[in-house]
Amino acid sequence: GQQLNQSPQSMFIQEGEDVSMNCTSSSIFNTWLWYKQDPGEGPVLLIALYKAGELTSNGRLTAQFGITRKDSFLNISASIPSDVGIYFCAGQNFGNEKLTFGTGTRLTIIP
Amino acid sequence: EPEVTQTPSHQVTQMGQEVILRCVPISNHLYFYWYRQILGQKVEFLVSFYNNEISEKSEIFDDQFSVERPDGSNFTLKIRSTKLEDSAMYFCASSAGTGYSPLHFGNGTRLTVT
Repeated sequence: GQQLNQSPQSMFIQEGEDVSMNCTSSSIFNTWLWYKQDPGEGPVLLIALYKAGELTSNGRLTAQFGITRKDSFLNISASIPSDVGIYFCAGQNFGNEKLTFGTGTRLTIIP
Repeated sequence: EPEVTQTPSHQVTQMGQEVILRCVPISNHLYFYWYRQILGQKVEFLVSFYNNEISEKSEIFDDQFSVERPDGSNFTLKIRSTKLEDSAMYFCASSAGTGYSPLHFGNGTRLTVT
């Protein structure tokens, strides 16, 4: 089956630092999405990417859909305490609605 | 903003018992899903449902599992005879349609099988 690997698995940063994480796939996806999960809650959509090469921003978040359609990255600028959580990438293909989730990146902010 | 709601938030059951997890998807959405997340692991696809039938299911979704949309608003996941390894967070999700329609997730039901 399709595998999505995220790196790093976990990050420990100080408030105010920028964050970069990425996701690579063993196969092509038509759509890439980034979700954030807080403890005890469901994944919340952050950014959706629909075209290879697309760069999309949502506030302090920026994500790109790789040219090969097998990877994506997510950057967070000037991190704040509420950025703490687990970030998941997910791939989706047209005509097949299910999402395949990545392994997740856990972000911790050191006081 | 409309949201997916799930009940109960936490369900404890004994091994071998039947459980029904309930979801109310976003009202104008047409596609419905169940996902599972074992503690500390990634979110895994179980089943997708469209037009009153299963459109796809994963290997996890064996004969012990079933889904139903009993009325115009609810979407349920039944596990007939729970096993210890069914303990997980179960997330319901819905989407508007194919292509450019991200999934929206509920806050999950934590199922604990003892």
